[in-house]
Amino acid sequence: DVVMTQSPLSLPVTLGQPASISCRSSHSLVHSDGNTYLNWFQQRPGQSPRRLIYKVSNRDSGVPDRFSGSGSGADFTLKISRVEAEDVGVYYCMQGTHWLTFGGGTKVEIK
Amino acid sequence: EVQLVESGGGLVQPGGSLRLSCAASGFTVSSNYMSWVRQAPGKGLECVSVIYSSGTTYYADSVKGRFTISRDNSKNTLYLQMNSLRAEDTAVYYCARDNYDSSGSDWGQGNLVTVSP
Repeated sequence: DVVMTQSPLSLPVTLGQPASISCRSSHSLVHSDGNTYLNWFQQRPGQSPRRLIYKVSNRDSGVPDRFSGSGSGADFTLKISRVEAEDVGVYYCMQGTHWLTFGGGTKVEIK
Repeated sequence: EVQLVESGGGLVQPGGSLRLSCAASGFTVSSNYMSWVRQAPGKGLECVSVIYSSGTTYYADSVKGRFTISRDNSKNTLYLQMNSLRAEDTAVYYCARDNYDSSGSDWGQGNLVTVSP
């Protein structure tokens, strides 16, 4: 199975400052069709997960442009340019190239 | 408006069975990639099963042979039949739609399954 490793586990951030979450895969996520099926999700406390980014870098409709995704192969990053209070929650990467597996999550909190 | 409404969870004894349902509106279940994702108390997300628009299904090793994913096109509903339940199956179960494209990704509200004597 493909293992997705996120870091850090916890990310205390000052309001208005940037944040960066890393996601590394045990295998390349480039599919035979040429696409890389790597998504990012946000789960706020008490809520269902919400997709922010699909296929590495495509922002979902309604997602603020302070969120951005990048990376290739087996190494990916989610960046928040300026953290706001509503960004508190747990962030997960998820790969859909080889079956479907999630990273362990990164908890973003305000310092 | 897209909506996923889950039902069928609850308390069950070890070795028992439950069937979760996920009624969809605003889109056609059979034309989308649908999955069941669970979250044990205080833990992360784990995909339990996926059914693709082609009908191909996949299962996590932890549930293979015990869980079955299916869909009823006439009711536009996704199901997860769970047999031989174990304590470690205790979790909130979400149904989700995600085609890895710009059509978005939608999740149900979650349904708690508790396996306990």
